[in-house]
Amino acid sequence: QTVVTQEPSFSVSPGGTVTLTCGLSSGSVSTNNYPNWYQQTPGQAPRTLIYKTSTRSSGVPDRFSGSILGNKAALTITGAQADDESDYYCFLYVGSGIWVFGGGTKLTVL
Amino acid sequence: QVQLQESGPGLVKPSETLSLTCTVSGGSISGHYWSWIRQPPGKGLEWIGYIYYTGSSNYNPSLKSRVTISLDTSKNQFSLKLSSVTAADTATYYCAKYECTSNVCYYLGYWGQGTLVTVSS
Repeated sequence: QTVVTQEPSFSVSPGGTVTLTCGLSSGSVSTNNYPNWYQQTPGQAPRTLIYKTSTRSSGVPDRFSGSILGNKAALTITGAQADDESDYYCFLYVGSGIWVFGGGTKLTVL
Repeated sequence: QVQLQESGPGLVKPSETLSLTCTVSGGSISGHYWSWIRQPPGKGLEWIGYIYYTGSSNYNPSLKSRVTISLDTSKNQFSLKLSSVTAADTATYYCAKYECTSNVCYYLGYWGQGTLVTVSS
């Protein structure tokens, strides 16, 4: 069974830059996995940040960007703000109609 | 603006079948792909599966033997059934709409607010 890996937690200072990554147990992540990134705050449904690797969803600030870094998908937050403190999930298409979420990264801004 | 709303029992007994419905408003269920996702308390998101308006579906291999997703185009609804539930199936269940182009789906663009289902006797 395919596992999607994310850092369990990360910390960033206000105004700082942080890159969260998303890997595949079976190999490299590519644009063919259509990497998505979602932000979730407690008690709320996830919100789409990035889709198709690097396309920002409507209304998402441009401090959020997506890319492929090496063999992983990456979400970079440039100029982190206090309200970016959330859980972040990547979501990958792994083939044969199957999609898998990563375990999520808890981002702390302090 | 598409809106999704989950509904169903908040409490299900062990070994029974969990049944939830997602009602779609602001758009037609036809022509689109629809999905169920769940999140156990304090844990991460888990993709359950999807259904296309034609009825074709695909499921998480780890749940496939217990899951059925169906739809009712006349009511603009789709549903989830999960059989033989245990406490491990306690979770907030979300329904969502895929955003697709030419039958290639790229992301979950719209989500319901989620509904908590507890499995307990």
